[in-house]
Formats: sequence, C-alpha cells, structure tokens
Amino acid sequence: GDSVTQMEGPVTLSEEAFLTINCTYTATGYPSLFWYVQYPGEGLQLLLKATKADDKGSNKGFEATYRKETTSFHLEKGSVQVSDSAVYFCALTLEGYQKVTFGTGTKLQVIP
Amino acid sequence: DAGVTQSPTHLIKTRGQHVTLRCSPISGHKSVSWYQQVLGQGPQFIFQYYEKEERGRGNFPDRFSARQFPNYSSELNVNALLLGDSALYLCASSPRGNPVEQYFGPGTRLTVT
Repeated sequence: GDSVTQMEGPVTLSEEAFLTINCTYTATGYPSLFWYVQYPGEGLQLLLKATKADDKGSNKGFEATYRKETTSFHLEKGSVQVSDSAVYFCALTLEGYQKVTFGTGTKLQVIP
Repeated sequence: DAGVTQSPTHLIKTRGQHVTLRCSPISGHKSVSWYQQVLGQGPQFIFQYYEKEERGRGNFPDRFSARQFPNYSSELNVNALLLGDSALYLCASSPRGNPVEQYFGPGTRLTVT
C-alpha cells in the first residue's frame, strides 16, 4: 500500500541552524506530496505542497523538492527560529483518492 | 473568514458509551474528511463525505459512522467506545472532493476511561 516514512525525532537544533527532515514515500501512482505542521495543542496546517515531479514547494522559508527518482520530499530551512518548534508531518495523496496518508511525524525543538 | 470549527474541544467518556463529534467546514466547502490521530502518531483517515455522500472509508470498524448534512456540516459517531479510541479527532474540509486542497480544524480530544 501507499506509505510515507520520515526520520525519527525529536530533532533539536540551535536557533539559526540549518534544518533537514527526511521523507521518502511508496505509492502506486504519481502522488501529490505535502508537509504539514502541528503546533502544540493545535490542528494541522499545510506548510507546503508539490503536485508533480521536480516541483519545489516553499513557504515561510521552508522548501521541499519532489524527487521522483529517489521517491523523496525532504524538508529544508536555512535558518530555524524558536517559533518553528512543532511536529512536522510528511504526507501524500493520489489522484482520484479521497484520503491523505501521513507519516508518523518528526518533532522539532529549536533552542535559543 | 472562519476556518474549520469542531466541537466539543475536549471530551471524556467511559468504555462502552457512545460519542458524537461535530464539524463545520469552511464556508463554500462541500467536502469533509475525518481523521484519527493517536498520541505520537500521524493522522489516520476515517471517512470522506462530499455533497452529503460517503466517498471514502478508511480501515476502521463499523462502530465508527458519519454523516454530512445539507449545510455541509458533519458528525462523526463512535459506538461502544474502547480505551484505544482515545485520540485527537481531526476534521478537514476542502472545496471539492480532492484532498489536495484540504484545511484542518483544531480537533476534538477524546479520552476514554
């Protein structure tokens, strides 16, 4: 079946450090890929998305590129802030499907 | 514009009881999806409704049911609650049935004792 694998957390970084959270996927077709963020006590917010191979999604300084050859969608940010502390979920959906399949989440903690 | 709203925010129930969770989508959105998020895990798809019809169902037992009303709001019902049903229940709305553009509510935290 379709699945998403993302790196185990928690990830602890100092403010202004470079962030990478790895995500790989398995899918039977050509999925759309997402990164969602969940702040403590809140629901999910869409951070960025990419709907076809080689697309780059970006938002709030975060970026991820849809790599079909490596089935990956790694999340990056050049300089993290304390306010970026949250849980990040990689996810996919397939054309014609009604559901989004999520990874298990990676907790990011940024310390001053 | 108001986002997706869910009620109640928190709920405590006893094993064997029944619970109803409610969701109001963003104005103009015709699709509502429900997800269960167990602590420390990613959300798991339960149902999708579009134009008041069930369009998708995840791998959940028949104790879970849902419906969508003419105003596109939705209810999730869970019967015969088990301890393992304790989770954050998330509702998401989208303009059409395609979940590529999907917006989540804050969730209902259900605790079963």
